[in-house]
Amino acid sequence: ETGVTQTPRHLVMGMTNKKSLKCEQHLGHNAMYWYKQSAKKPLELMFVYSLEERVENNSVPSRFSPECPNSSHLFLHLHTLQPEDSALYLCASSQVGRLGSGANVLTFGAGSRLTVL
Amino acid sequence: QQQVKQSPQSLIVQKGGISIINCAYENTAFDYFPWYQQFPGKGPALLIAIRPDVSEKKEGRFTISFNKSAKQFSLHIMDSQPGDSATYFCAASMGQGGSEKLVFGKGTKLTVNP
Repeated sequence: ETGVTQTPRHLVMGMTNKKSLKCEQHLGHNAMYWYKQSAKKPLELMFVYSLEERVENNSVPSRFSPECPNSSHLFLHLHTLQPEDSALYLCASSQVGRLGSGANVLTFGAGSRLTVL
Repeated sequence: QQQVKQSPQSLIVQKGGISIINCAYENTAFDYFPWYQQFPGKGPALLIAIRPDVSEKKEGRFTISFNKSAKQFSLHIMDSQPGDSATYFCAASMGQGGSEKLVFGKGTKLTVNP
């Protein structure tokens, strides 16, 4: 396996379900991200784990909960979602320097297509 | 001020033609401008990027033109091919990297007809 792998690729869940999305990167990167991709909207950054710190978008509802057990794995736990949460959820990784390089190249996975009924 | 405005939303070009996608930004602190390409069923992938110290960068058929004074940058695809059909996103970031500062446009769906 190479690159960034996301599972499952497709998920249908009811509003009362609890599910998790999984992401694994094989690139040796030190930062991982969750993005939400909705039609006709910019990619929305949800969470970042970078250099062992977590950064989150304050507009993301608490029904989304990230977990990053190590630098290669990232989870997005889903709980009591709403139909408007249906979207493509993209995981990405990058190599971030402590002093910064100003050019953060993201490598994206293929995404998990989520449908909330 | 943190937005990147991208146009057009969709674009149809004939094979061999030139595809042009435009982006505009407000925040003059942005100092890195990448373009990402996304094929159906795939995640976005970095296509080409530019810094504001140059006005143009070319990689094969893909060229970024950058106008610092107008705060605009554009992607030109020369000799467009059906295999170029994809969604293109411009983006901008600033400072010391870290994609918490990477701002994306809404995307342009490009269709190249044979």
